[in-house]
Order: sequence, then structure tokens, then C-alpha cells
Amino acid sequence: AQSVTQLGSHVSVSEGALVLLRCNYSSSVPPYLFWYVQYPNQGLQLLLKYTSAATLVKGINGFEAEFKKSETSFHLTKPSAHMSDAAEYFCAVSETSGGGADGLTFGKGTHLIIQP
Amino acid sequence: AAGVIQSPRHLIKEKRETATLKCYPIPRHDTVYWYQQGPGQDPQFLISFYEKMQSDKGSIPDRFSAQQFSDYHSELNMSSLELGDSALYFCASSLREEAYNEQFFGPGTRLTVL
Repeated sequence: AQSVTQLGSHVSVSEGALVLLRCNYSSSVPPYLFWYVQYPNQGLQLLLKYTSAATLVKGINGFEAEFKKSETSFHLTKPSAHMSDAAEYFCAVSETSGGGADGLTFGKGTHLIIQP
Repeated sequence: AAGVIQSPRHLIKEKRETATLKCYPIPRHDTVYWYQQGPGQDPQFLISFYEKMQSDKGSIPDRFSAQQFSDYHSELNMSSLELGDSALYFCASSLREEAYNEQFFGPGTRLTVL
């Protein structure tokens, strides 16, 4: 069975500071990993995905994440926080390989707060 | 670009009533997924369909059922509604031939059970 742990239900950073959101996964097979962002009362928007092509993945809005197999981690970072980054962030894992329709398993989410 | 469409966006029901949620996937997408997100919770996978066949099953209650139609749209049917069913219900879609299981989410249907 797969699972995701997001450390820190709330993270607060100053505008312009580094953003670091932590995600650790557990999977019996090589995983596909995703970061989604959710703004209040909206759906989930994909930020980036890891599909085994490259360990450092760049996504939208200046976010990137690094897959570290030895640490079973997929932490999300952004060099400089912007007020518009304030939202809920979910890390998710899928064990599908070669295509499929498996449901994603999400972490509990991290609420990112940006201080002016 | 076209996105996943869900209807209705908001729904209010009484306990023990039934509800039907609809999902229209992105054009060409052949796979749909349903998720339930309770207040302050992470999304929980319910069920998925590929080419009208159930593909994967998560924590979907027996009171719920779903199907996918020939035009790939999907409906989630919920009976004997309980207060605990109040949640945001997301539909997502993907194209199976594209690997990595990248799912595109709709805006959700907010169900309130009174």
C-alpha cells in the first residue's frame, strides 16, 4: 500500500523567502509523485510531477521538487515566496506504471501562509 | 483549454435523500475518477472508470454507485444521504495512453446534507 506524509500542517514564510514544503512517501513499487495546489473553494491544480525521467522536476509558478529515493522524499521548494502562493498544497502518490486508472493517495496537506 | 466540468456546483439535500453528481471529462480523456474531500481534509479516492468499466475502487460507501457512459461522462449516485456525506466531491480525468496517471481535476461539487 502507498502512503504520503506531509510534515507540517501549516508553514509560514515571509514574502520573498524560501518556501520548503516536505513530503515523504511510502510505496512498494517505483512511484509517480505529484504536487497539487488548492486555492480556497477551488479545485486542485497540478504544480508538477515526477515520472522517473529526472529527479529534479520544475513546475509552474516557479516551484520545483527533487525526488530522493534514498530518503523517500519529494520536497517542494520555491526560491522566493509571493503573496499569491498562499494556498493549500497536497503531495500525492500513484503506483501506476505504464498507464492505468489508479486513484491518487494524497497527504494531509500543508497550508502555506505568506507574511507580508 | 477545455477543463473538467462538474454539475451542479452546489447541492443541498436532506438526510436520507438521494443525489446525483455529474462529471464531463476533458475532450479525448477516457478515464474518470471521483474523490471526496471533507472539510479540512485531504481528498479521498472513491472510484475510477476506464472505457465504461470500473477500473479502481477506493473508499466508496456501499450507498454510493457510479458509472461511465459511452460519451465518457460519469455520474456519481448517492443514496440514503447522511450528514457525514457533506463534502466537496471532485471529478478528475486522464487519458490512459499517456502514462504517469496525470489527473486533471474539476472545480468540484459542494454537497451539503442537512
